Amino acid sequence: NAGVTQTPKFRVLKTGQSMTLLCAQDMNHEYMYWYRQDPGMGLRLIHYSVGEGTTAKGEVPDGYNVSRLKKQNFLLGLESAAPSQTSVYFCASRWRTREAVYEQYFGPGTRLTVT
Amino acid sequence: DQQVKQNSPSLSVQEGRISILNCDYTNSMFDYFLWYKKYPAEGPTFLISISSIKDKNEDGRFTVFLNKSAKHLSLHIVPSQPGDSAVYFCAATSSGGTSYGKLTFGQGTILTVHP
Repeated sequence: NAGVTQTPKFRVLKTGQSMTLLCAQDMNHEYMYWYRQDPGMGLRLIHYSVGEGTTAKGEVPDGYNVSRLKKQNFLLGLESAAPSQTSVYFCASRWRTREAVYEQYFGPGTRLTVT
Repeated sequence: DQQVKQNSPSLSVQEGRISILNCDYTNSMFDYFLWYKKYPAEGPTFLISISSIKDKNEDGRFTVFLNKSAKHLSLHIVPSQPGDSAVYFCAATSSGGTSYGKLTFGQGTILTVHP
């Protein structure tokens, strides 16, 4: 099992450009999450999905869109990149039905720089 | 409004000694807590967790203590090893139905274990 994978690993964008980050998991997890990590801020939730075709906003959703067309994939889009979106992005997933288990499995991250 | 706080940005300990990492939370709805470990250029990996119905959970060298009245938890690593050097994140969630297991993270503590 590959677990949670993220594509690409690194990317440099110019202000105003768009891009899509891909997250894929092979663990049949129902729930998927996108976080960003900034120095001194920990990880902050951008958007999440509780199942195929459903998405919801997290703590810092502005400037991002997401889609979950297939259970195993969760896409994060930046329509018009801004320097404030320079960050490391992590995708995570977990089971829905495991009682009292809230552990999320994380991907390796995507380092995005917006100039 | 930082609902989960790790007030020590860094901690340095000698190999073989105890490492104690602290975490405070403010949201009374949080009833499940997790610790994640993160190496550079990798995603966070789950370390240990505790439910609010317990005050201690142990797994090998790692023990998490929860003081609900003080809204405080701590991670003890005994004995500390150089391979434990990493960033440690405290995270919290609510078991409530609309929480969907969303994690709120602290800012992280950089642990350095010297040989």
